[in-house]
Amino acid sequence: ILNVEQSPQSLHVQEGDSTNFTCSFPSSNFYALHWYRWETAKSPEALFVMTLNGDEKKKGRISATLNTKEGYSYLYIKGSQPEDSATYLCAYKAAGNKLTFGGGTRVLVKP
Amino acid sequence: EAGVAQSPRYKIIEKRQSVAFWCNPISGHATLYWYQQILGQGPKLLIQFQNNGVVDDSQLPKDRFSAERLKGVDSTLKIQPAKLEDSAVYLCASSPGRVNLNYGYTFGSGTRLTVV
Repeated sequence: ILNVEQSPQSLHVQEGDSTNFTCSFPSSNFYALHWYRWETAKSPEALFVMTLNGDEKKKGRISATLNTKEGYSYLYIKGSQPEDSATYLCAYKAAGNKLTFGGGTRVLVKP
Repeated sequence: EAGVAQSPRYKIIEKRQSVAFWCNPISGHATLYWYQQILGQGPKLLIQFQNNGVVDDSQLPKDRFSAERLKGVDSTLKIQPAKLEDSAVYLCASSPGRVNLNYGYTFGSGTRLTVV
């Protein structure tokens, strides 16, 4: 069983503040790390697929980093806006295995 | 490009009843996934199809859950009989099926099942 942990489970952010949260995964047999954003009543939306140690990806005000050797990825939101309120899911894929999701970090941006 | 379509959006049934969910993936996507997301947990893969063949159904409770993907396009997931612990969001996703490390999965909006 592959253990993918996300922390914190939830966080409240003041509008305009920046924030970040963590995804931890097994460091062995790494193949890819996915990040998804899931807004209430909508479909989970793919943000990033990361494959290389040291990868950094950016989409607007959201960025992510990857450390495959120690088994973690950070997701950053710069200047949080109310529309950033969502659950952010990471998912780890080992070579030859299925995608295993973490429990998500629920972000609420307060105006 | 049309997204992954799922129906119904919501369903409330009594325990021991049956229920079926439908999914239409992105046109041309060879791989289709059904996930179960219980409140407070991450999505768990129930079954993965490659075209109309099953690739992984190791976490599908086969005594009550069944799924099919006839003709390698649409898919249905059935629960018979339902238990209280089946209350969850059932997500369908698809991907092209070829190796593409830049491609995440495309998800439908899910079916929220409540078993009472």
